[in-house]
Amino acid sequence: EPEVTQTPSHQVTQMGQEVILRCVPISNHLYFYWYRQILGQKVEFLVSFYNNEISEKSEIFDDQFSVERPDGSNFTLKIRSTKLEDSAMYFCASSEGAAGALDTQYFGPGTRLTVL
Amino acid sequence: AQRVTQPEKLLSVFKGAPVELKCNYSYSGSPELFWYVQYSRQRLQLLLRHISRESIKGFTADLNKGETSFHLKKPFAQEEDSAMYYCALRPFSGGYNKLIFGAGTRLAVHP
Repeated sequence: EPEVTQTPSHQVTQMGQEVILRCVPISNHLYFYWYRQILGQKVEFLVSFYNNEISEKSEIFDDQFSVERPDGSNFTLKIRSTKLEDSAMYFCASSEGAAGALDTQYFGPGTRLTVL
Repeated sequence: AQRVTQPEKLLSVFKGAPVELKCNYSYSGSPELFWYVQYSRQRLQLLLRHISRESIKGFTADLNKGETSFHLKKPFAQEEDSAMYYCALRPFSGGYNKLIFGAGTRLAVHP
């Protein structure tokens, strides 16, 4: 069964550095998402992406964040200048865009980002 | 405000006991509700959705609009049910729309 994949599984970076988190969505899916989960807290929506543009973003997704689909398979999340509070598990998800409530978001295994 | 509340962080039961994981939501429109499960060291995966009214791995959930609840139930818990369970709300229908998650409940089923 096809799965969403994410690399790396764990990223450690220094505060102020740029990081790029990578995701390969399921191949026939059209909608892509990033969520994050700070340790001990809820899974929070960051951004959704469709047809090569952002569909919706949360207030967390400020100018430090950007997303891109650089080719036909990858979907990336870039954090320009990381802060300590960006430390979290970042989940990528994709969905095919089935009708209404039948649309299912499939999640990747996550990338744990640690900012020192 | 759009919100999902799972009041229990941990639910601990013995094998064979009934299980009910509570979920309440706050949303003014017609919600789409889901239960996701995360087994140890695995990814979040969809367990069931309200529209399907199906039973997956013996779990069922009924949407109660009057009580704004979507509790997850299983009559006889198994040890392999031990996992994190997340209730999620999708405020708008269909693709590209976000999921709003509750904080999750850890279910521990003891032998």
